[in-house]
Amino acid sequence: AQSVAQPEDQVNVAEGNPLTVKCTYSVSGNPYLFWYVQYPNRGLQFLLKYITGDNLVKGSYGFEAEFNKSQTSFHLKKPSALVSDSALYFCAVRPSLSGSARQLTFGSGTQLTVLP
Amino acid sequence: GAGVSQSPSNKVTEKGKDVELRCDPISGHTALYWYRQSLGQGLEFLIYFQGNSAPDKSGLPSDRFSAERTGGSVSTLTIQRTQQEDSAVYLCASSLGGLAGGRLETQYFGPGTRLLVL
Repeated sequence: AQSVAQPEDQVNVAEGNPLTVKCTYSVSGNPYLFWYVQYPNRGLQFLLKYITGDNLVKGSYGFEAEFNKSQTSFHLKKPSALVSDSALYFCAVRPSLSGSARQLTFGSGTQLTVLP
Repeated sequence: GAGVSQSPSNKVTEKGKDVELRCDPISGHTALYWYRQSLGQGLEFLIYFQGNSAPDKSGLPSDRFSAERTGGSVSTLTIQRTQQEDSAVYLCASSLGGLAGGRLETQYFGPGTRLLVL
């Protein structure tokens, strides 16, 4: 069975500084990897995904993530954080194998707080 | 275009009552998912519909939970004889679906229904 680990429950960063939200995964075969963001009292908003190809994936709002197969990681990054980036971030995975289950397995979430 | 919509946005019920939660997926999306987000459990998968195929019910926590999808569009999640531990946010998501290995399958989520069982 697949799993996702987000080792940090909370990440604090000053506005304008780079941010990283960590994610590691375990899945049979090659993964499809996703990042979602959740603002208070809102559903999940899709940020970006890795399917295949370039290891560096660019997404919405200036976010990017780097797929590292050897380290089974998919860390979310942004060069310069904004206060408005403060939210709950979820990493998710599903296997790419044909016929495999298509539901997403989510990490426990990381609360990002960007301090002005 | 319109995203995934869910109703009601909030539901308060008494223990033992039945509740129905509704999801309207994005038009043209053939795949529909239900997830539950609760404190201490994170986000967990409940059930998945793909077109006319039999649904994947592997995530349903008990036989009190059921879901249907009529006409390949709107879905209803029903919880019978609700318990306090059913209190959570119930999220619906939809994706293009299809049988091409899922490469196009980004799941788009609705705003959720916040269920409180007293």
